[in-house]
Amino acid sequence: GQQLNQSPQSMFIQEGEDVSMNCTSSSIFNTWLWYKQEPGEGPVLLIALYKAGELTSNGRLTAQFGITRKDSFLNISASIPSDVGIYFCAGQPSPPLANKLIFGTGTLLAVQP
Amino acid sequence: DAGVIQSPRHEVTEMGQEVTLRCKPISGHNSLFWYRQTMMRGLELLIYFNNNVPIDDSGMPEDRFSAKMPNASFSTLKIQPSEPRDSAVYFCASSLMWSSYEQYFGPGTRLTVT
Repeated sequence: GQQLNQSPQSMFIQEGEDVSMNCTSSSIFNTWLWYKQEPGEGPVLLIALYKAGELTSNGRLTAQFGITRKDSFLNISASIPSDVGIYFCAGQPSPPLANKLIFGTGTLLAVQP
Repeated sequence: DAGVIQSPRHEVTEMGQEVTLRCKPISGHNSLFWYRQTMMRGLELLIYFNNNVPIDDSGMPEDRFSAKMPNASFSTLKIQPSEPRDSAVYFCASSLMWSSYEQYFGPGTRLTVT
């Protein structure tokens, strides 16, 4: 089945640093979503992208829909301790699998004060 | 507006017992998804419904698992009989079909089968 490769698997950074993570696929996607999951909670939707090349921000978070439609990137600027969690990418492939999403394996982010 | 509601938040049961997990989707959403999350396998889609109708249950691991959606505001996931390998966090998510693919997750039910 289709898979999303997410990297890096984990990141350990100092507070104030910028963070970059990405998600790649071997096939084309129509939609990219980025979620954050904190311990003991469900994934929370951060950003949704619907057009190739689209760049969308949500506070200190910025995500981009790759021009090739096979990748997406998430950047976090000036990280703070509450950014800790697992970040998942998810996508809707082309052609669509009805309204199912494919999820990446997640990037664990740890921020040291 | 309230988000997706799941109950119970935690469930501890003995092997062989029946377990029922409950979900209330966001009001107005017409697609509902059940996921299971483990360290080994990550987030797995078990089954999803559109307009209360099961569309794809190919992710349901065995006949011991069943899911129902009797109306637009309620769904259950049942495991009978439960086994230790069913221990995981089970999430329910909902979305607005044909509007966007944005799924909104509940807080999850952490199931431990001893």
